[in-house]
Amino acid sequence: DAGVIQSPRHEVTEMGQEVTLRCKPISGHDYLFWYRQTMMRGLELLIYFNNNVPIDDSGMPEDRFSAKMPNASFSTLKIQPSEPRDSAVYFCASTPAGGSYNEQFFGPGTRLTVL
Amino acid sequence: GNSVTQMEGPVTLSEEAFLTINCTYTATGYPSLFWYVQYPGEGLQLLLKATKADDKGSNKGFEATYRKETTSFHLEKGSVQVSDSAVYFCALMTLSSGSARQLTFGSGTQLTVLP
Repeated sequence: DAGVIQSPRHEVTEMGQEVTLRCKPISGHDYLFWYRQTMMRGLELLIYFNNNVPIDDSGMPEDRFSAKMPNASFSTLKIQPSEPRDSAVYFCASTPAGGSYNEQFFGPGTRLTVL
Repeated sequence: GNSVTQMEGPVTLSEEAFLTINCTYTATGYPSLFWYVQYPGEGLQLLLKATKADDKGSNKGFEATYRKETTSFHLEKGSVQVSDSAVYFCALMTLSSGSARQLTFGSGTQLTVLP
C-alpha cells in the first residue's frame, strides 16, 4: 500500500489567495483526520471524518477553513482567503474502523507558506 | 478534558547515552497511550503503544510503561543512536461517544544525538 498521500508537498502563495490541500487515505480506512503543525501551537486536530461524514470540526480555526470528503478515497482542506498566520505543515491521517485504539497513519504533510 | 504534558526539549545526547523523555497525562476514562516519532521532513509514525495499566510498549529498543498511579508514560532507550534524532510525541486516545479514535498529542520533544 502506498500509505496516505498528500499533495502538494510544498505550497507557497500570497495572502488572499485560495489554497487547496489534498489527501488520499489508505484504502479501507474509515476515519480521516486533518492536523496542523506549527512551532507555536504544536500539533492541532482541525477536523475528522468517519465514512466521509465530518464528525468534529471544532478545531477549524475560522470560517476561512473548510474541509470536504466527497468519497472514501479523497479529501480536501481549503483556506480562502489565506493569511500569513496560516503558514504551517498540514498533515492528513487515516485509521481503520475495526477494533480499538488503532494506529493513525500519517501522510508526509504539506508545507504551506503564505507570504 | 484530555491533555498530555511532555518534557520540553530540545534534548541533546551523545551516541550510546541513556534517554528518558517524560510524559504525563490527564484523561477521562481509561486511555490508551502512544509514542509517535517524526523524522525530519516526514509525517508522524507510531513508535509504540500501551492500551491498559502496567502494559509495556516496546519497539526499536524504545520502551514505555503505562503507569496509572502516576498517570505517566515515560519513553526510555538504553543506548541512543544518531539515527534516533527526531521529534517524539506522546499521545493518548479515549474511546467515547462522538470522539472515537481522536488522539490528543503532547507538544513534542526534539531529540538530537551527536556522534
